[in-house]
Amino acid sequence: DIQMTQSPSSVSADVGDRITITCRASQGISNYLAWFQQKPGRAPKSLIYAASSLQSGVPSRFSGSGLGTEFTLTINNLQPEDFATYYCQQYNSNPPTFGQGTKVEIK
Amino acid sequence: QVHLVQSGAEVKKPGASVRVSCTASGYTFTSNYIHWVRQAPGQGLEWMGIINPSGGKTTYAQKWQGRVTLTSDTPTSTVYMELSSLTSDDTAVFFCARVGSDSLAIDYWGQGTLVTVSS
Repeated sequence: DIQMTQSPSSVSADVGDRITITCRASQGISNYLAWFQQKPGRAPKSLIYAASSLQSGVPSRFSGSGLGTEFTLTINNLQPEDFATYYCQQYNSNPPTFGQGTKVEIK
Repeated sequence: QVHLVQSGAEVKKPGASVRVSCTASGYTFTSNYIHWVRQAPGQGLEWMGIINPSGGKTTYAQKWQGRVTLTSDTPTSTVYMELSSLTSDDTAVFFCARVGSDSLAIDYWGQGTLVTVSS
């Protein structure tokens, strides 16, 4: 199975900050990488697919990049509703696997 | 508007089975695969399996082989996840999630179903 490793595990930030979360794959996955946001007690929400394409309705302050084994999720101008846990997932090969999550907290 | 609506919370005894449903609306049911994802309390997301509602072909994670069964019912646009031989370690929230029509990635999620296993 492909292992997905996110860093950091948690990050503290202020409203208005820019943050970057990294996701590394244990082997190359081309651009078959998705990002999800999850708030406590809620279902995940799909943010990004194909490493850099925004799902419909996702604000443009979210962006993704990367190819192969290293990927990033950047949130510009952090808003109060962005404080949540973020997961990456590879869907290049079965089984699809998730990173362990990165919790974005208010500083 | 795409919606995936899951059945309500369940409480089961060890050794029992549970069946969770996921009813789709707002699109052609047979056009999109459906994943099932598990989240244990306080933990991350774990993939269980996927079903193609057009024909019913399934693929399961090795960990769940033999204990999980995914089925689909086209007339009701519903996918089912059945998990057998429950133990307390199976207490978790289970999500269904749709694969996007063009992207191959998950685009929509169900609201989740909490399954509690307790004697």
